[in-house]
Amino acid sequence: DVKVTQSSRYLVKRTGEKVFLECVQDMDHENMFWYRQDPGLGLRLIYFSYDVKMKEKGDIPEGYSVSREKKERFSLILESASTNQTSMYLCASSLTRRSGNTIYFGEGSWLTVV
Amino acid sequence: GENVGLHLPTLSVQEGDNSIINCAYSNSASDYFIWYKQESGKGPQFIIDIRSNMDKRQGQRVTVLLNKTVKHLSLQIAATQPGDSAVYFCAENGAAGNKLTFGGGTRVLVKP
Repeated sequence: DVKVTQSSRYLVKRTGEKVFLECVQDMDHENMFWYRQDPGLGLRLIYFSYDVKMKEKGDIPEGYSVSREKKERFSLILESASTNQTSMYLCASSLTRRSGNTIYFGEGSWLTVV
Repeated sequence: GENVGLHLPTLSVQEGDNSIINCAYSNSASDYFIWYKQESGKGPQFIIDIRSNMDKRQGQRVTVLLNKTVKHLSLQIAATQPGDSAVYFCAENGAAGNKLTFGGGTRVLVKP
């Protein structure tokens, strides 16, 4: 089975702090994604990456950056956390970037910025 | 810590009955569709997928129907069980890079 692991399930951070959300997948997938999920807004794509050191902006990249130094690991970075970034963050991966490859999700990271 | 589910349409189903969840998608160029199940406090879990060259696909207790003419997708769950209570999302892939666009979700409540 595909395993997408988000190391932090629940975090509370202060406004202005730098926040790292880590994600690891164990199936040698090329594609990795970061989404956020908010009530009434559904899942929105922040960033994705189809290879090591490659990244592409999603629909809502503002206030975020990402890092993909190794194929299995994709990190989401909030340079200076703000209260409107309080959300559930979901990491996902798929085998390749071709359409038709199932996308698998991690269990989510709940971030509260106070 | 659930924040999924506010403002969602809800389908209440008697245990043992069949459930039908509907989804309208937006992009006529979408060629791949997935249904996900999300339980409280968890990430979306893959249920079943279908490519645009098919109009029906069956899994274990689930069937997905695709009507490209009206851009409609449905998920049928046979003999609904209490463990099927969750929020169900459809997702379409119409963009390069295997990116998904998600529907708003439907909450299914199974009554014993």
